[in-house]
Order: sequence, then C-alpha cells, then structure tokens
Amino acid sequence: GAGVSQSPSNKVTEKGKDVELRCDPISGHTALYWYRQSLGQGLEFLIYFQGNSAPDKSGLPSDRFSAERTGGSVSTLTIQRTQQEDSAVYLCASSSRVPLGYTFGSGTRLTVV
Amino acid sequence: GEDVEQSLFLSVREGDSSVINCTYTDSSSTYLYWYKQEPGAGLQLLTYIFSNMDMKQDQRLTVLLNKKDKHLSLRIADTQTGDSAIYFCAICPSGGSYIPTFGRGTSLIVHP
Repeated sequence: GAGVSQSPSNKVTEKGKDVELRCDPISGHTALYWYRQSLGQGLEFLIYFQGNSAPDKSGLPSDRFSAERTGGSVSTLTIQRTQQEDSAVYLCASSSRVPLGYTFGSGTRLTVV
Repeated sequence: GEDVEQSLFLSVREGDSSVINCTYTDSSSTYLYWYKQEPGAGLQLLTYIFSNMDMKQDQRLTVLLNKKDKHLSLRIADTQTGDSAIYFCAICPSGGSYIPTFGRGTSLIVHP
C-alpha cells in the first residue's frame, strides 16, 4: 500500500484481556518495527523483523508480549493479560533493507481500564 | 546500548530560527534522522544525514553533525506556527541490525 496502515486506531480493553494490534507495512519493505510511546516519553523499541531472519525480540518488556509477521508482510502484536501500564500508543514502522528513513503508521492507542 | 538525549521544550517566536539539539553516545552511528510528530499522528521523516557528512540542507531545514562531540542539530529557518510539533532525533547504528534509537523528543512551541 501507499503507507503503513495500523488497526485499530483506538482500543479500550479491560485489564486481564488479550489484545491484538495489526500492522500492514509498505509493500516491498523487508524490515518492520514495533515501538511503544507512553505519555510524555520517547519511543521504546519492542521488536524488529527483517525478511526471513529470526526477529529481534530484545525490546519486549515481558513474556505477555509477542509478535509475528506472516509471509513477510502483515504483522500482529499480541498483548496477553493486559495491565494498566500497557496503556500507550503502539507504533509500527517499515523500511527497506538499508534504512533511508522509516515510515511510521499512525499508531494504535491502547487504553487498559 | 545507544543513549540519545534531547531537551524537552523549545519556545520560539514566529519568523525566528529554531535550533533543536540532540546528543548521542554510539560513535559508530551510521544514519541519523529527524522526525516530526504532530498531535494524534505518527512520526513523519523530515530529513536524514549519513555519518560521513557534516551538513545537509533541505529548504528551511539545516542539519549539522559534529561527530567528534556526537552532536546533531536541526535548524528550522523562518519558523511558522505550523512547525509546532514534537521533534525526535533517531540514531541508527552500524553493524547491520538497523534498529534506531529515538530521543524523548523536543516539543517546539511557536508563538506569534
């Protein structure tokens, strides 16, 4: 597609429920990144996919967080047993192999109540 | 890992120049970026510079890189109210992982 698409744009969930966030990157971009942006904070790296290589999961804050990327395209970030501290904007970005810039989606604002 | 620091706020008068500063720790950084985030939106790439460059100019934007001091700056000439936003610098290491580290962002406020 023309840009990076994320869905839903907003999600309100009850504490303890599981949520899935979706990212559809730019066609042909081999790299995909998930970041988390909490209120007043910078971007916290979560996970990185590059082509068919094993993902770099070093930024995932706990084992409640997981992500997959199917067919080298669409990615899903799953948060199990959500907690209030998971409330944030989750941003997805994609890039070509040599990153002359990362293209970001508009994000999913997650609110855990 | 990489540490990227930015001041949190900058206030300027419309028509003046704005200079947003960023310092980083990893001297092997290869790609350095400036992003703009408007309220409720994702991050928009403004410009980037390679580590073998000292300066890059693009219309009202000038990026300066001081590799010795590990200092990156973004100058916006003739700042307009539409430039009010949060500006993030991002540093990408060499070595192949290409995972950028972002600063916390500088909130630019432009007043008449």
